Amino acid sequence: NAGVTQTPKFRILKIGQSMTLQCTQDMNHNYMYWYRQDPGMGLKLIYYSVGAGITDKGEVPNGYNVSRSTTEDFPLRLELAAPSQTSVYFCARSTPGGLAGGPYEQFFGPGTRLTVL
Amino acid sequence: AQTVTQSQPEMSVQEAETVTLSCTYDTSENNYYLFWYKQPPSRQMILVIRQEAYKQQNATENRFSVNFQKAAKSFSLKISDSQLGDTAMYFCAFMKHYGGSQGNLIFGKGTKLSVKP
Repeated sequence: NAGVTQTPKFRILKIGQSMTLQCTQDMNHNYMYWYRQDPGMGLKLIYYSVGAGITDKGEVPNGYNVSRSTTEDFPLRLELAAPSQTSVYFCARSTPGGLAGGPYEQFFGPGTRLTVL
Repeated sequence: AQTVTQSQPEMSVQEAETVTLSCTYDTSENNYYLFWYKQPPSRQMILVIRQEAYKQQNATENRFSVNFQKAAKSFSLKISDSQLGDTAMYFCAFMKHYGGSQGNLIFGKGTKLSVKP
């Protein structure tokens, strides 16, 4: 799992419901990311974090919130789910520059497939 | 803003033959990284190869190599001796590099590669 665990693997939500996608890493890396992948498309960045207590918006942040209280965990919150949020969600961690494994490689979790009906 | 374009939505190749996937990008940055990621049907994102923009030498990883043309902003992936396990979506990605920090990954839309027996 590339040192990144995501739960749940699948979820179906009704419009207006809320949920939290969990992401945990076991490598103590500062950089973590949330992406969404729509059918036939590449990944788009939702939010990212450069360390505990520090988060920032990516390309498509609307409808989502994140928090980073520890280095290990980076949960993604969906409030008032909408059909447009039907997607596969990936969490990733990133190696610091210069360490073994190569600089700035991102390691991805297995993804969460979310359907909003 | 940076953009990544993959002009081949789908490609196919016979087992043991060679195939080249195209990628072009647009940026005004001078320091950056380029990546190819593989996404098999399992959905897992796997790093295939990485190229630092400051390096003139093309990166090689076993059967995978790139043709990096910085002036033309082109970054193609060559897969030699194609194997059935190479069947996957392939994504080209760009990352800005500044100071001691890293930017975020910008992905293309992907190329679906099918290796036929």
